[in-house]
Amino acid sequence: DADVTQTPRNRITKTGKRIMLECSQTKGHDRMYWYRQDPGLGLRLIYYSFDVKDINKGEISDGYSVSRQAQAKFSLSLESAIPNQTALYFCATSDSTGKKGSNQPQHFGDGTRLSIL
Amino acid sequence: AQSVAQPEDQVNVAEGNPLTVKCTYSVSGNPYLFWYVQYPNRGLQFLLKYITGDNLVKGSYGFEAEFNKSQTSFHLKKPSALVSDSALYFCAVRPPGDYKLSFGAGTTVTVRA
Repeated sequence: DADVTQTPRNRITKTGKRIMLECSQTKGHDRMYWYRQDPGLGLRLIYYSFDVKDINKGEISDGYSVSRQAQAKFSLSLESAIPNQTALYFCATSDSTGKKGSNQPQHFGDGTRLSIL
Repeated sequence: AQSVAQPEDQVNVAEGNPLTVKCTYSVSGNPYLFWYVQYPNRGLQFLLKYITGDNLVKGSYGFEAEFNKSQTSFHLKKPSALVSDSALYFCAVRPPGDYKLSFGAGTTVTVRA
């Protein structure tokens, strides 16, 4: 979905480095999410944010941190990368406002492929 | 806690044949159910959802899904598969009153010409 942009698309780095993955959206959605995808495990939620002042841990938040700099921007940081954080990372957004409320689907960016050596 | 199972890692069908991708769920209350598709090097794309009402839900690209409460299933179906339907399919569930999706492990669909 071109309305949700993730940068970089690919990144190779070394163990112990600090890494930031960025996500921006033009959909005007209030909610944003970070997931990681591993083969055979589906997507697992790392962090989510319902508005600029709201940050919540997901099921696998250890080793990660996030920042919601604006409604349209949500970044994910790995403070000290380790090899088992090698994965495909996705940002997603959803809209809780309007008549249809919280039943709206999430919209995903094209992902960041992160390799940690 | 909610969970989603996609019992088949892979589904292979011939073009023109019916396609079914299975999904079962475990959640308290009446769930919200979703199907997404992922093409290579792309993010997940929303296909359809079940919130309430008619058990047969129609979605994008000719896909439909049937909600079966007694069997706690939400199988994705397409009457006549296309080679372009080859992709990775994810089922997801969200309990009522919660805002987090739980995804299945995914099913790789291959449609041969």
